[in-house]
Formats: sequence, structure tokens, C-alpha cells
Amino acid sequence: DQQVKQNSPSLSVQEGRISILNCDYTNSMFDYFLWYKKYPAEGPTFLISISSIKDKNEDGRFTVFLNKSAKHLSLHIVPSQPGDSAVYFCAARLGGAQKLVFGQGTRLTINP
Amino acid sequence: ETGVTQTPRHLVMGMTNKKSLKCEQHLGHNAMYWYKQSAKKPLELMFVYSLEERVENNSVPSRFSPECPNSSHLFLHLHTLQPEDSALYLCASSPLLDEKLFFGSGTQLSVL
Repeated sequence: DQQVKQNSPSLSVQEGRISILNCDYTNSMFDYFLWYKKYPAEGPTFLISISSIKDKNEDGRFTVFLNKSAKHLSLHIVPSQPGDSAVYFCAARLGGAQKLVFGQGTRLTINP
Repeated sequence: ETGVTQTPRHLVMGMTNKKSLKCEQHLGHNAMYWYKQSAKKPLELMFVYSLEERVENNSVPSRFSPECPNSSHLFLHLHTLQPEDSALYLCASSPLLDEKLFFGSGTQLSVL
């Protein structure tokens, strides 16, 4: 039973435009949601997180939106840059538990 | 430099071998984790150590044996593995109760 799902395995966006990555979850007990970025042959790198009591968190070019009623979150990157090309993982933490549950990842390609 | 160092980066082993993966973190964190990433699958949590005590064993076969001698070091001892155990093994650390995990670069394991 996959509790965190990223239904788009890949996404291609033109440089300078907005990239929107989506994630759905099933467990209402998650208290934090996170986005990680992964380059080939490297470990995932933390990008941005949001508490379940908020609906938006912004950090520079990255904004995460949380819609609890729809159990959906999204990551917006604007403007998109070539260095943003990577695999992006959505993750969620079960409240009170010391662990993250990850989605399958979405490969983002930024085209010049 | 992520602060979490994993060795070796690559490992090829036969099914009768015994090997160990090593992880060291220089971030002063008190929780450490082993995750497994197989091709086209989400990151799967294997083990969690909190203050050097194992607090999570996610139904991992006994051919994988973790060891956490202190809060800075984590090992994963491998013996009689199967070809389907070939994957990227990622170590991570975090402050206690913090939602953000910091990952190493991983060990790419191939079992022949």
C-alpha cells in the first residue's frame, strides 16, 4: 500500500517557465511533507518542507502548496533553470515517528 | 560535502560473500537510517536508530544486519544476499524529532 504517490514519472519544462510537480498521499496522520532533489550518483538533497498546519511555504524559487482536503501537495519552481534537472521525491513524515515515507519520484528535465 | 559519508560507493559481491557498508555523519545528529532504492521504486526504509537504539526494523530479511556503535557511525552487514538485493543503499541522519533527513551519496550494490 503506497501512502505517497507521484503519478508523473517525468516532466519536461522550458527554461524560464514554471515547473509544477505533484504528489498525493493517503494517510491523514502525516505531520510534515518534504521535497527532495536527487542527481545521478548522489544522495537526495533536502529542498523544502511544510507542516501539515500550513498551506504554503516559500523559499526563493521554490514554493510548496498543501491541500489537506484533497490530500495533495505540489512543488512550484519558478523560473526553472537547467540545474533544476533532476529527480524530485515527495516525502511525508508520520506524526511522532522518526521516519519518512517517499514517493516514486518525478524526473524533471529543463530544456533550453 | 553533505556531512554524511558512505563507503564504499560501489560494491560487487557474490551470493556467498560477507561485506559491510559503512556510514559516518559529521553533523552531530542523534538519529540514523538505512534506506534502499531499487530501480523505479520509492525509497524504502530499512532501519532507524535513535540514540544508538534500533527503533524501526521494516520487515527486513535477516541477511541484512545493522549495527550502530555510536551516534556518528552506522553499518549494514551483508551476508548470503540474493541478486534481487542489488540496489542503491542510502544512509541518512537527522536531529532527533526533526523532519529533515540528510542523506549520503549511497552505495550502489550489485549481487551476482
